[in-house]
Amino acid sequence: DAGVTQSPTHLIKTRGQHVTLRCSPISGHKSVSWYQQVLGQGPQFIFQYYEKEERGRGNFPDRFSARQFPNYSSELNVNALLLGDSALYLCASSLQGFSNQPQHFGDGTRLSIL
Amino acid sequence: DAKTTQPPSMDCAEGRAANLPCNHSTISGNEYVYWYRQIHSQGPQYIIHGLKNNETNEMASLIITEDRKSSTLILPHATLRDTAVYYCIVRDPAMDSSYKLIFGSGTRLLVRP
Repeated sequence: DAGVTQSPTHLIKTRGQHVTLRCSPISGHKSVSWYQQVLGQGPQFIFQYYEKEERGRGNFPDRFSARQFPNYSSELNVNALLLGDSALYLCASSLQGFSNQPQHFGDGTRLSIL
Repeated sequence: DAKTTQPPSMDCAEGRAANLPCNHSTISGNEYVYWYRQIHSQGPQYIIHGLKNNETNEMASLIITEDRKSSTLILPHATLRDTAVYYCIVRDPAMDSSYKLIFGSGTRLLVRP
């Protein structure tokens, strides 16, 4: 079975631009989460969506937004890019909300800001 | 903030067991222990999770102490491909905040030939 897929795998942008990252969850998974991983650190939670509703938001500015589509895929949007937004952006999916089942991660989109 | 403490680095010889400890002394009764690993340039990979009983799957074994204040992930026969950063995470799936995983710094495991 296909795992979590993310696109693109790599992206280079300049300061002030906008970026959209995409994620397709594992088939049957209804929850999608987004994480940011800066070099040398563990992933930091950005958003979770479940059944197309935002369920949680981490400590990130309003420049970061996301949405989930009826097929449970998701997009992460970042406006007015800053140099500090350079990171690996990870998407994770899980079966449902309140469950002990684990989140499964994709291999991420590596975003570089010049 | 992460609720677990792990050694920053460990190493073991290829073919030997790797035992990775995790301290979670403030764990609550409903919190599960999850282990993930992250190989360079890849996303975190789920390994195993448990509540109070020891667990085993095709990748590893998880040993949780009776008081649940610590646990050990065991890779029975480590290979070079097991070189990675290993994260121990505690989470209560029934809590409103359970939607997020809180990653600490993890343990960097180096498997030596």
